[in-house]
Amino acid sequence: DAKTTQPNSMESNEEEPVHLPCNHSTISGTDYIHWYRQLPSQGPEYVIHGLTSNVNNRMASLAIAEDRKSSTLILHRATLRDAAVYYCILRDSGGSNYKLTFGKGTLLTVNP
Amino acid sequence: DAGITQSPRHKVTETGTPVTLRCHQTENHRYMYWYRQDPGHGLRLIHYSYGVKDTDKGEVSDGYSVSRSKTEDFLLTLESATSSQTSVYFCAISGQGVWTEAFFGQGTRLTVV
Repeated sequence: DAKTTQPNSMESNEEEPVHLPCNHSTISGTDYIHWYRQLPSQGPEYVIHGLTSNVNNRMASLAIAEDRKSSTLILHRATLRDAAVYYCILRDSGGSNYKLTFGKGTLLTVNP
Repeated sequence: DAGITQSPRHKVTETGTPVTLRCHQTENHRYMYWYRQDPGHGLRLIHYSYGVKDTDKGEVSDGYSVSRSKTEDFLLTLESATSSQTSVYFCAISGQGVWTEAFFGQGTRLTVV
């Protein structure tokens, strides 16, 4: 499985934008980039996903590099409720293997 | 919210006893997953299922077995629980296609004493 690399932790201030990076230099052409987050004492929840183009939804934006070897999850105005562990994962649409594996993610701290 | 429930939510058991955790879904999703989460290790995949009676191993499958006799239920069994299996266990479901999102249960906290 293609792997991702994320910083262990990041810190932000409330109401400021947050850019969470993810490197996936071995990504294949059929890999989708997914982001999930896990709030304290909860199961992970889906945030956003994309293949090649930048994506926006009500929670966040996903910026994908032109070579697709990295991506950035953008929270436009961080709130205290955004404090969580953020996971960047790849899902391969080119095979029959539907494993869903996670790394350690990035722990985001939001300061009031 | 996606229809996925885990039971029990909390369990304390003794070393050497068998334990079964249940994941139940009402979404008719094909794929189901079991994870464990421990401090410093993130989410680690134990086993997953890609259909009724179709399962495969994940990263940390030793000491665990699974069964899926119907679409809605995915059972995780610890045949003889050990203290190293004390953890929080999460179940997840996903539809067909890797562009679909996965939904997670609320977790089961298992303590083996």
